[in-house]
Parts: sequence; structure tokens; C-alpha cells
Amino acid sequence: GAVVSQHPSWVICKSGTSVKIECRSLDFQATTMFWYRQFPKQSLMLMATSNEGSKATYEQGVEKDKFLINHASLTLSTLTVTSAHPEDSSFYICSAPAVVEAFFGQGTRLTVV
Amino acid sequence: QKEVEQDPGPLSVPEGAIVSLNCTYSNSAFQYFMWYRQYSRKGPELLMYTYSSGNKEDGRFTAQVDKSSKYISLFIRDSQPSDSATYLCAMGWGTGFQKLVFGTGTRLLVSP
Repeated sequence: GAVVSQHPSWVICKSGTSVKIECRSLDFQATTMFWYRQFPKQSLMLMATSNEGSKATYEQGVEKDKFLINHASLTLSTLTVTSAHPEDSSFYICSAPAVVEAFFGQGTRLTVV
Repeated sequence: QKEVEQDPGPLSVPEGAIVSLNCTYSNSAFQYFMWYRQYSRKGPELLMYTYSSGNKEDGRFTAQVDKSSKYISLFIRDSQPSDSATYLCAMGWGTGFQKLVFGTGTRLLVSP
């Protein structure tokens, strides 16, 4: 079946640095991808919708200048957490909708120290 | 009030038990309903989805939707230790599996 690959699976970075997370659809084209954030014992919260060839749409309360999204091709979307702070530590998951389901990446656990 | 409410658990059952997982929702615009399973430190994987009220069965899993009560359930028969995971309900509207609203997830522990 369709697979969405997310990389890296975990990353530790220093406060103030930037981290890039990649999300690739491996055997189908995804004009839209979704980026979620999941804090411990909480549900997945949609952060933004990534659209190929156009600007991303951010959910209310999500800083677009902090979470930069680029969807340069039909198979790749990237999320860059800029000037990361400890409160940005979370589990970030991408998702690509197909015809009959949404496929999720493996997730990226970000720890900012 | 959250759009989707789900008891976080944990729910502990012995192997072979019937498990019932539930979610309630407040938004009557939701048109499709899904159950995802998420193992620790992994992305969610789709178990079942349905568009209408009623029951849908797939092997040991049965999804039940009651739109009039805004209540959905997932039943797992003959539970196995490998079923131990977090189960998330999710709901959406519009065309395709676009934006989804998730419950917090229920952590299930099946002991041998």
C-alpha cells in the first residue's frame, strides 16, 4: 500500500537552532499534506496544511514564521522549526490523504535542550 | 467542550477479553469516522473507517457509529497482547480524508 516516509524519526537540538523534518510520499503523489503535533497524552493537533506549489495554510494559533512549510514537489513536504525552544519539544507527524484513507509518516520526536 | 472526547485510559484487560473503546463528538457536520492504532513512537495506522451509522466488521474489529447520539465505538474481540497500543478515533468532513479531528486516544494494555 501507499507509504509516507518521515525523516528523521528523532532529533535533539539546542535551543535557538532550526530543525528540518521531511515527509515523502513514496508511491503516490500528494498535492496536499498535513502536519500534526502531538504532546504527551494529548491528541494529534493539526498545525498546517501543506499545498504543492502554493503557500501553506496554518491553523489558528500556529506561528507561520516559526513553522516554515515548503511543498516543492508532489512527493515532498518539509517542516522547519525555526529558533526552536524547549516548549517546541513534541512529536511531529505528517499525513498525506489518498483516495480512501490518510497515510501517516512514522513521526519525528523533537527534543529541544 | 472539545469537538471529540475520548477517555485516555489506560484500559487493562486480559488476553481474550472483548474490548470496547468509545468516543463522543459534538460537531454534527462530521461525515466520516475512523479508528487509528498507534504504537509507541510510531505514526497512526488506519484500522477502520465508516461513513454511515451502523456497524462495520473487519475480522476481530467492529466499528459502530450512532450519529443520533454522536457516539462511536470500536470493539475488539478475542484481544491479543499485540493489540496493546493507543487507539485514536478521528472524524472529518468534506471530500476525501482531508482535515481530521482526533480524540486524545485510549491506551489499551492486553495482558497474556
